[in-house]
Amino acid sequence: SAVISQKPSRDICQRGTSLTIQCQVDSQVTMMFWYRQQPGQSLTLIATANQGSEATYESGFVIDKFPISRPNLTFSTLTVSNMSPEDSSIYLCSVGGQASNYGYTFGSGTRLTVV
Amino acid sequence: GQQVMQIPQYQHVQEGEDFTTYCNSSTTLSNIQWYKQRPGGHPVFLIQLVKSGEVKKQKRLTFQFGEAKKNSSLHITATQTTDVGTYFCAGDGATNKLIFGTGTLLAVQP
Repeated sequence: SAVISQKPSRDICQRGTSLTIQCQVDSQVTMMFWYRQQPGQSLTLIATANQGSEATYESGFVIDKFPISRPNLTFSTLTVSNMSPEDSSIYLCSVGGQASNYGYTFGSGTRLTVV
Repeated sequence: GQQVMQIPQYQHVQEGEDFTTYCNSSTTLSNIQWYKQRPGGHPVFLIQLVKSGEVKKQKRLTFQFGEAKKNSSLHITATQTTDVGTYFCAGDGATNKLIFGTGTLLAVQP
């Protein structure tokens, strides 16, 4: 299964600023997924990032707030823009798919606190 | 939209007792996956079930996929302290997007 390096692992940010989270995969993958996990909650899919096309966002998430880049098949970034305390969460990237016998692999997560 | 619910939300057991979590989807799933998330960690894949009525075992863990492919269960026999964590089911629908269940937090008292 793929190995994902995600950074930063945690950050404390001022409201109104932006944070960019990076995920590097050790193999080429078609789709990368970005999730948010609020404290004590389940994972919510933010968007699917495809190389060479715009990301597809889930209901409740918009590109202006969570711009995503996917410059190649091994790398993606998620930016949390104009942050407020409500954005405090764990953000995780993931790769995988129906054809995978290893399920979906997750990065170690970015624990974001907005003050 | 698709919703995946799990019960119970939280379960506290004595070490050695059995544990079961149940997963129900509002729509038919092409497959169901199970993940374990240790406290402070990220979800780790446990298993995938694809066929209607499928049952798979991993040591003390037994996974089942319902006949209608809308529900699933995870049963742990004789829990150990290493089983502590949150167990999530996740449905992988036709859109190839993984939708997570609400999760069950398992606490095991030695």
